[in-house]
Amino acid sequence: AQTVTQSQPEMSVQEAETVTLSCTYDTSESDYYLFWYKQPPSRQMILVIRQEAYKQQNATENRFSVNFQKAAKSFSLKISDSQLGDAAMYFCARPSTAGTYKYIFGTGTRLKVLA
Amino acid sequence: DAGITQSPRHKVTETGTPVTLRCHQTENHRYMYWYRQDPGHGLRLIHYSYGVKDTDKGEVSDGYSVSRSKTEDFLLTLESATSSQTSVYFCAISESGNYGYTFGSGTRLTVV
Repeated sequence: AQTVTQSQPEMSVQEAETVTLSCTYDTSESDYYLFWYKQPPSRQMILVIRQEAYKQQNATENRFSVNFQKAAKSFSLKISDSQLGDAAMYFCARPSTAGTYKYIFGTGTRLKVLA
Repeated sequence: DAGITQSPRHKVTETGTPVTLRCHQTENHRYMYWYRQDPGHGLRLIHYSYGVKDTDKGEVSDGYSVSRSKTEDFLLTLESATSSQTSVYFCAISESGNYGYTFGSGTRLTVV
């Protein structure tokens, strides 16, 4: 079965510190996209960052960046200078290989930010 | 504002009753999806649509049906609600799978 694995159910980080959330996946394709979504307590799902697999350069969006290791099928999210507003559930996702733009989501990592 | 809205935001219903959740978009996106979110499972696809009257099942489709008679509306129906269908339901839209989904704000459904 196609899977996206987030092995850390919960993590904590001190305010202003850096934290890395891990995600691994399986795929037989060479060209695909990967996503990180944030879900704050409001429940709204927010796209944080997107990575194109054929691009070697890691994606960056302000304090959020990814460590994309294609051969290892690893897609980690790094949050720098953590803020209280970063506290949320984070989900890793990728489209399925069926070609119908269906996404498979990981089980999520709950991030706590400590003041 | 938001190009996608879900209704209702919360609902409590009794076991055995039919329930319909509505998703409405103003983005004219081709693809629409229904997911359910449960602790420890992340988001799981129930059904999706790739055009008007074109729908297909996801990984957890048993007990659910959908309809899409217009580009902007995608309805999810629980024919006879069960307690196992207590969950948070999200609708999402996309024009292309390459750019991510836009999600609705979710519906918390409780079946008692």
